[in-house]
Amino acid sequence: AQSVTQPDIHITVSEGASLELRCNYSYGATPYLFWYVQSPGQGLQLLLKYFSGDTLVQGIKGFEAEFKRSQSSFNLRKPSVHWSDAAEYFCAVGASTGFQKLVFGTGTRLLVSP
Amino acid sequence: GAVVSQHPSWVICKSGTSVKIECRSLDFQATTMFWYRQFPKQSLMLMATSNEGSKATYEQGVEKDKFLINHASLTLSTLTVTSAHPEDSSFYICSARQAGGPGIEQFFGPGTRLTVL
Repeated sequence: AQSVTQPDIHITVSEGASLELRCNYSYGATPYLFWYVQSPGQGLQLLLKYFSGDTLVQGIKGFEAEFKRSQSSFNLRKPSVHWSDAAEYFCAVGASTGFQKLVFGTGTRLLVSP
Repeated sequence: GAVVSQHPSWVICKSGTSVKIECRSLDFQATTMFWYRQFPKQSLMLMATSNEGSKATYEQGVEKDKFLINHASLTLSTLTVTSAHPEDSSFYICSARQAGGPGIEQFFGPGTRLTVL
């Protein structure tokens, strides 16, 4: 079974500064990897996904993530954070077999300071 | 495209009553739908996977008699919380996977906030 670790519960970043959110996964086969964002009381919005191919993937809202197989990581980055980016961010790993269920990390709450 | 809706968006009920939550794929057909619950400040936990026309598959520890899931059509799945109690209060989110779509991707609904008094 797959698992995901997001080691940072909270991160505070100044507006305009760069951002990196960490995600480590465990899965025996090639993983399908996702980053989602959730605003309070809302559902999940997909930021980006990795299935195969280029290990640097671009997403919406200026986000990107890099898949590093050797480190079992899929960290999310943004070069310049906006106040509207404050939200909860979830990394998820999907199984490549069976129901292809998603397993989510515990999430990282991003706070943006002025 | 790939929009998933949930109804209601929030519901308050008395302890012991049953509550039904609907999950609809609005512009695509979904062979598989998933139900998650999320407690405050916590992650999403998968409750069950439902495939159209067959019984749902529940995750370990989820009571199938308490959380009834029906996936009667390719665009609708329902979750019924039977004899709800305060500990069932949570945020319930559904997702859907598109029939014939690019494999694994799930599209999420906006969630339903259930409060049991």
